[in-house]
Amino acid sequence: AQSVTQLGSHVSVSEGALVLLRCNYSSSVPPYLFWYVQYPNQGLQLLLKYTSAATLVKGINGFEAEFKKSETSFHLTKPSAHMSDAAEYFCAVRSDDKIIFGKGTRLHILP
Amino acid sequence: KAGVTQTPRYLIKTRGQQVTLSCSPISGHRSVSWYQQTPGQGLQFLFEYFSETQRNKGNFPGRFSGRQFSNSRSEMNVSTLELGDSALYLCASSLQLAGSTDTQYFGPGTRLTVL
Repeated sequence: AQSVTQLGSHVSVSEGALVLLRCNYSSSVPPYLFWYVQYPNQGLQLLLKYTSAATLVKGINGFEAEFKKSETSFHLTKPSAHMSDAAEYFCAVRSDDKIIFGKGTRLHILP
Repeated sequence: KAGVTQTPRYLIKTRGQQVTLSCSPISGHRSVSWYQQTPGQGLQFLFEYFSETQRNKGNFPGRFSGRQFSNSRSEMNVSTLELGDSALYLCASSLQLAGSTDTQYFGPGTRLTVL
């Protein structure tokens, strides 16, 4: 079964700095990969998804992720962090007709 | 278009009781998936219903059950509640099965506390 690992349960970046949230997957077949964001007391919202088309995927709110098969990675980036980006981010993979989520990374934005 | 709604938003129960949570998907969506979110275990898949049939199930005991109605609304039931069942229960709806590339839309969740 496929799985995802998110490196770092907490990440802090300064406002205006680069955001980099790491996700590695394990998959024996070409994966479908997702990034979701969860704001406090809310459900999850899809940021972007990779479905074996372009390796660089652009999502909402200025986020993007690059699928790197050689590194089995799907890291999420944003060039310039904003205070409103503070939230928890989940990487997920489709596995056996289910969506399997990573443990999540809480992003803190420092003023 | 209205989003996914879940009722109730908050619930407090005691051990041994049972609870029923409700999820109304986005209009036209036929798939409803349920997840349990806890600080320790993260987001775990419970089950998915599509056109009133359970299509997939996670690794949860039989105390956790669900159903889906003809209007795609879904309920999940937890019997004989345990302290460890305290969690945020999220439901998500999509047009097609959750295992497709179709986008899942999540509701705000029901916060269940078991005392």
